[in-house]
Amino acid sequence: EVQLVQSGAEVKKPGESLKISCKAPKDTFTYSWIAWVRQMPGKGLEWMGIIYPSDSDTKYSPSVQGQVTISADKSISTAYLQWSSLKASDTAMYYCARLGDYFDYWGQGTLVTVSS
Amino acid sequence: DIQMTQSPSSLSASIGDRVTITCRASQGIRNYLAWYQQKPGKVPKVLIYGASTLQSGVPSRFSGSGSGTDFTLTISSLQPDDVATYYCQKYNSAPYTFGQGTKLEIK
Repeated sequence: EVQLVQSGAEVKKPGESLKISCKAPKDTFTYSWIAWVRQMPGKGLEWMGIIYPSDSDTKYSPSVQGQVTISADKSISTAYLQWSSLKASDTAMYYCARLGDYFDYWGQGTLVTVSS
Repeated sequence: DIQMTQSPSSLSASIGDRVTITCRASQGIRNYLAWYQQKPGKVPKVLIYGASTLQSGVPSRFSGSGSGTDFTLTISSLQPDDVATYYCQKYNSAPYTFGQGTKLEIK
């Protein structure tokens, strides 16, 4: 079974920056797309974007384009989701997921709380 | 972009009932459709992929059907453990949109 391990919960203030991570096994990481999914409190699942770590090809949902940055570091088999200036509305659970034949493996989630 | 519309948004049924949730894509997605079950505070769990293939370990009372634009998730005999929110998701190409979810409760 492939395990995606995400970084721990974060509490931040509006305007602060943040980078959360998702680590996958090396063989899985290099040749798979890794996606990020947002779930705001009490709301549904929202696909944010996806990256192919092998060449850093990245696609974003129109709803988050320009608001976040997805990146990856092949050397440590880790994908990232980054904000330069957080808003209260970024408060959510964030999941990473691997796109194999389908989105077959998911991380445990990272809770991001943005509050003054 | 292709939109995914689930119905109903919520559903209350009795133990043993047959339950059906539908998902409609605004354009054809062949069979690139997955169904997830999410319980409160938990990671989404894949139930069905390829529109009708049961994920390993998922009880056989769950089934999926459909192709193109119209898809169905069926629970043949509702059990207490099935209380959850269910989502469909297209995965033929980006954006990999989810349906809005169906909250299933026991009557």
